[in-house]
Amino acid sequence: DTAVSQTPKYLVTQMGNDKSIKCEQNLGHDTMYWYKQDSKKFLKIMFSYNNKELIINETVPNRFSPKSPDKAHLNLHINSLELGDSAVYFCASSQQAGVETQYFGPGTRLLVL
Amino acid sequence: QKEVEQDPGPLSVPEGAIVSLNCTYSNSAFQYFMWYRQYSRKGPELLMYTYSSGNKEDGRFTAQVDKSSKYISLFIRDSQPSDSATYLCAMSRVEGGKLIFGQGTELSVKP
Repeated sequence: DTAVSQTPKYLVTQMGNDKSIKCEQNLGHDTMYWYKQDSKKFLKIMFSYNNKELIINETVPNRFSPKSPDKAHLNLHINSLELGDSAVYFCASSQQAGVETQYFGPGTRLLVL
Repeated sequence: QKEVEQDPGPLSVPEGAIVSLNCTYSNSAFQYFMWYRQYSRKGPELLMYTYSSGNKEDGRFTAQVDKSSKYISLFIRDSQPSDSATYLCAMSRVEGGKLIFGQGTELSVKP
């Protein structure tokens, strides 16, 4: 049983395209996150949703738009992909916004050509 | 200057060695400190979680926080090849606040 799952695992696409990454958690958690990990393994938060409401929105280009249709899902849509968007994107979830234990998904490896 | 600094390594040790991993930070407001382990091509998983200064032990792992020096450490005793992974420190100012991660230290334990 996968706690936090992401699709797709790998995404190779051309510059300028629009793509989406989906995340689902079956842990019953209230809070979900998107992180970006660059080639140097530096992990940085992008967004956080608590009960479908946006609570953290870091300085991320507005080409990135998260969408939370329900508590168990947090999707990430990226418009007009650029070379610099190539990275591993991780989804995570936690019980509440006030609890530190975050459970991470396996990651989506995005390569923009 | 990054808020959290961590030597990326790689660090290679023989099986059975004691491993010391460290992070320094600049923001004295950090109060919650974590260590995550990330195996290759996997997501990070929480290893240790401490609040404020002090030590915490869990099996072969010990986490230390020295807030006066703005320095945190993770010690691994009797290291095993299965400990080979990247170890990321993370911290936040408030419970539930944004996590700030270090760059991660790549550890390899040779049999």
